[in-house]
Amino acid sequence: EVQLVESGGGLVQPGGSLRLSCAASGFTFSDKTMSWVRQAPGKGLEWLAYVSATGGTIYYADSVKGRFTASRDNDKNSLFLQIHTLRDEDTAVYFCLGSGYSRAGYFDLWGRGTLVTVSS
Amino acid sequence: DIQMTQSPSSLSASEGDRVTITCRASQSITTYLSWYQQRPGKAPKLLIYAASRLQSGVPSRFSGDGSGTDFALTISSLQPEDFATYYCLQNSRTPYTFGQGTNLEIK
Repeated sequence: EVQLVESGGGLVQPGGSLRLSCAASGFTFSDKTMSWVRQAPGKGLEWLAYVSATGGTIYYADSVKGRFTASRDNDKNSLFLQIHTLRDEDTAVYFCLGSGYSRAGYFDLWGRGTLVTVSS
Repeated sequence: DIQMTQSPSSLSASEGDRVTITCRASQSITTYLSWYQQRPGKAPKLLIYAASRLQSGVPSRFSGDGSGTDFALTISSLQPEDFATYYCLQNSRTPYTFGQGTNLEIK
């Protein structure tokens, strides 16, 4: 079965750090460009980061640049998002996405998400 | 950054109705636009990519149109499972940006 499964979410204090993981299975992970998207409670979708198929090219949303670090390990079929200096406004469900199209950004594969709650 | 303005933000309709949701980009994105459907508590699902191409497995009552700055998603005859929230996304250039979403409700 083709799937993405996120993990690593939870309750974190403001100022803390967290590393989210996304495990891919059922397809050739190294063929897909990947992204992270989040959704705050009751809000819309926010794109966060893009990681090329090799991991050599990474782009970020301005809102998270400098605090978030995306990466991937194709040998382990995994995508990662390191988050530093967590703020209340980082509370959201974080989704891992894959794009199998030649043009990156058409997200045909989504994980179910992992909830990050920032609170003291 | 490219801004995506989606309208309406909410829409009430009945089963069998034809509805259209629009997205306007702040600059030309040619046809680098996709549409997603999100049901409550679920991950979004790709419906349309490259502005007008139907994703495999998506019913043909969904269609997309547009290029440049103006785009539309049309559902030709609403079915019960179509009541959900819809988002557009531009992937012309990073940062990719979503529209604000359209909540499609049962009238």
